[in-house]
Amino acid sequence: DGGITQSPKYLFRKEGQNVTLSCEQNLNHDAMYWYRQDPGQGLRLIYYSQIVNDFQKGDIAEGYSVSREKKESFPLTVTSAQKNPTAFYLCASSTGQGNEQFFGPGTRLTVL
Amino acid sequence: AQSVTQLGSHVSVSEGALVLLRCNYSSSVPPYLFWYVQYPNQGLQLLLKYTSAATLVKGINGFEAEFKKSETSFHLTKPSAHMSDAAEYFCAVSGASSYKLIFGSGTRLLVRP
Repeated sequence: DGGITQSPKYLFRKEGQNVTLSCEQNLNHDAMYWYRQDPGQGLRLIYYSQIVNDFQKGDIAEGYSVSREKKESFPLTVTSAQKNPTAFYLCASSTGQGNEQFFGPGTRLTVL
Repeated sequence: AQSVTQLGSHVSVSEGALVLLRCNYSSSVPPYLFWYVQYPNQGLQLLLKYTSAATLVKGINGFEAEFKKSETSFHLTKPSAHMSDAAEYFCAVSGASSYKLIFGSGTRLLVRP
């Protein structure tokens, strides 16, 4: 089955540590996205990538970094510079402009 | 610029009653509009989308939405609520040449037995 996988489902991190969240898709989509979701709020865009080896900052990119070395993979690193990283992180992909996005199951990150 | 407003952070209905979730948008270009559903601790699932074809769009699970340009609205409805419809619903807007979706803040639907 085609889809998007995110791992791990739950992640715990100590303050001051970097952590990388995995996102893989086998839908052959060009575009991929990372969102952050906090309780009672909508989705906020962190980074997105339109094509391999290219990515753009979203609305809340500070304290995060990404790479897009392969079409199917778009990992997100939450750095120690992110002041409040505890949140639910969602990865998505789409075929391109104007098209719907397909979402992964999410990773819940908790900073201890 | 584009934006989405979802009126009502929580909506409560009885099982079997009409579901109406409101979404108003602002867009400087012809909008593409989407409704997504999210169950607890899961990702978002597409319910339906409007991309400038028929103004009444039918989606999965018995939901439908009507695009009204004069009212800049795209409200989501279902004639009869089921317990399994309890979830959070997000409206989103995009444009034909945009890679981004702009999401509303969501509406949590509660279904009473």
